[in-house]
Parts: sequence; C-alpha cells; structure tokens
Amino acid sequence: GQNIDQPTEMTATEGAIVQINCTYQTSGFNGLFWYQQHAGEAPTFLSYNVLDGLEEKGRFSSFLSRSKGYSYLLLKELQMKDSASYLCAVLDSNYQLIWGAGTKLIIKP
Amino acid sequence: TAGITQAPTSQILAAGRSMTLRCTQDMRHNAMYWYRQDLGLGLRLIHYSNTAGTTGKGEVPDGYSVSRANTDDFPLTLASAVPSQTSVYFCASSDEGGGGSSYNEQFFGPGTRLTVL
Repeated sequence: GQNIDQPTEMTATEGAIVQINCTYQTSGFNGLFWYQQHAGEAPTFLSYNVLDGLEEKGRFSSFLSRSKGYSYLLLKELQMKDSASYLCAVLDSNYQLIWGAGTKLIIKP
Repeated sequence: TAGITQAPTSQILAAGRSMTLRCTQDMRHNAMYWYRQDLGLGLRLIHYSNTAGTTGKGEVPDGYSVSRANTDDFPLTLASAVPSQTSVYFCASSDEGGGGSSYNEQFFGPGTRLTVL
C-alpha cells in the first residue's frame, strides 16, 4: 500500500526554527509537494521537489532524499502566522497525489 | 481572477437526500479533482477529471458521481447521502493531469462543509 507519514503535531517558539519530517512509501515517485493549510481554509502550495537536495524559498526550505523516501520542510524565523497544518503529498506513478494526514504546527510567543 | 469557487459553503443534509456540490474554475485548467478531508486523515481523492469529457475514480468513489461537461465546471453529486459522508469537500484544479506531467501544482477551492444527519 501507499503510505505517507508525518508527525501529528509540533510546537515551536516564535523566532525559532522548526523542521517537519515526512517519510513516504508509494508506487512510483514523480515529485513531492508541501502545502500549508490554515484552520478552516484551503491548502495552498508551498514547495515542490523532484530531485534530491534542498530547495530554498525565503523563510521556507524543503529537502528531498529519494533513496531514503524522506523529505523535510524547514521553517525559519517563525512567525505567529505560520501556525497552520503542513501537508506532505507525493505524486505517484499514475500522477495522482497521495496525501499525508498533515502536521499541525503551533507557534508560541 | 476568482480562481476556484465552490458552493455551498456549508450544508446540513438529511440522510437519504441527494445533493450536488458545485465547483467552477476560471483558470482554464485541464484537470480537476474532488477530495474529502476528515480529521486525522489525509486528503482523499474521490473523483478526478484530466480533461473535459473524461472522469476517473479516485481512492474513495463509492456514493459519489461527477461529470465534466466543460472545462470550467466539475460538480460532485451524492445520490443518497449517508452520515459517513459528513466531511469537508475540496475541489482542486491543475494545469495538467496525469500522463506525462511531472509538476501539477493543484489549486484548491475554499471547501464545502457537509453534515449528513
């Protein structure tokens, strides 16, 4: 079966750095996405990785290791508005997105 | 541009009744998707359409049907609602779907919160 694992919940302090991990086992791999979802809202795109390595985009970076079936999302200089759920999703061999359950990130002052 | 709109925003429905959730996009995207999102579970694909005139089944299609008469609209119908269909439903679209696209960022509508009693 196909499986995406990420922690259910994490807590971090405003101004700090947090790393949200995602491990996956899917039938094929055509890329990994990270989305942000604020409570009661729709998911919005953050990043896409298809090759190994780190992609940096402002305060957010995403890393991929295809051999390990592993990705992480790194958030720097945390702000209160970063409190949200972060969803990891893998594009499988049929180009269907397989979604993790999401990590709820709580930012404390 | 509006992007993707969904209607209604929320609905309470009696079990056994039928309902159509509406979804319209103005980005001229080929592919559209319907997901349901339940607490503790990831987004689960119900049905999808790679292009107007074609549809396909996702992970949890039972009890739902879709049609794609044109590029912009992708309605989801519950023929006879059951309480287990209580969920938040998201419609999404992407520029391409399946078969050769390696990067199909999906854009989501605001969601429909459905309660079946």
